Amino acid sequence: DAKTTQPPSMDCAEGRAANLPCNHSTISGNEYVYWYRQIHSQGPQYIIHGLKNNETNEMASLIITEDRKSSTLILPHATLRDTAVYYCIVRVDTTGNQFYFGTGTSLTVIP
Amino acid sequence: DAGVIQSPRHEVTEMGQEVTLRCKPISGHDYLFWYRQTMMRGLELLIYFNNNVPIDDSGMPEDRFSAKMPNASFSTLKIQPSEPRDSAVYFCASSRTGWKNTIYFGEGSWLTVV
Repeated sequence: DAKTTQPPSMDCAEGRAANLPCNHSTISGNEYVYWYRQIHSQGPQYIIHGLKNNETNEMASLIITEDRKSSTLILPHATLRDTAVYYCIVRVDTTGNQFYFGTGTSLTVIP
Repeated sequence: DAGVIQSPRHEVTEMGQEVTLRCKPISGHDYLFWYRQTMMRGLELLIYFNNNVPIDDSGMPEDRFSAKMPNASFSTLKIQPSEPRDSAVYFCASSRTGWKNTIYFGEGSWLTVV
């Protein structure tokens, strides 16, 4: 699976949009981009995933560049409960294929 | 759905003792994963099962670690004998074939070996 690069930490004001970047310049054509987050003392939680089109669900939006070498997770109105470590993962979308978690981005939402 | 259930949530044990961690996957899920998380190494995949059969155990650190899945609703991760460097949070996760291909994690078992 392709490697990803994320900033180690970010801050965001409460109520503002949080934009978390991820670089995956070696991504293959059949690899999806997944985002998980881990709130302190809890297990990682699935957020969203996509292949090449932008995706949106009740939690977030995922913007993937046309060349697919980078993506951005957007939390439209960040709350204090969004403070967590956010992991960007790329992998072939085959059931059972392992998820390899990197170091992620530690997002702190500031009141 | 109850989610992935792990027990115990917290355990403190002495070096050399046997530790058994337990996991109940989400009903209907046919994949089960064991991960370990430490500050130094982050989240590491230890082993995963498909339909109760171990598929890849290359992440198991050494022979002191073993995992079993006797049926679709139960798995154990055993450490014998335990060492202080085994102190970590151990997560169990499960997924279902063809459904989003996402995995769902339990709340973790916090292990401290003194």
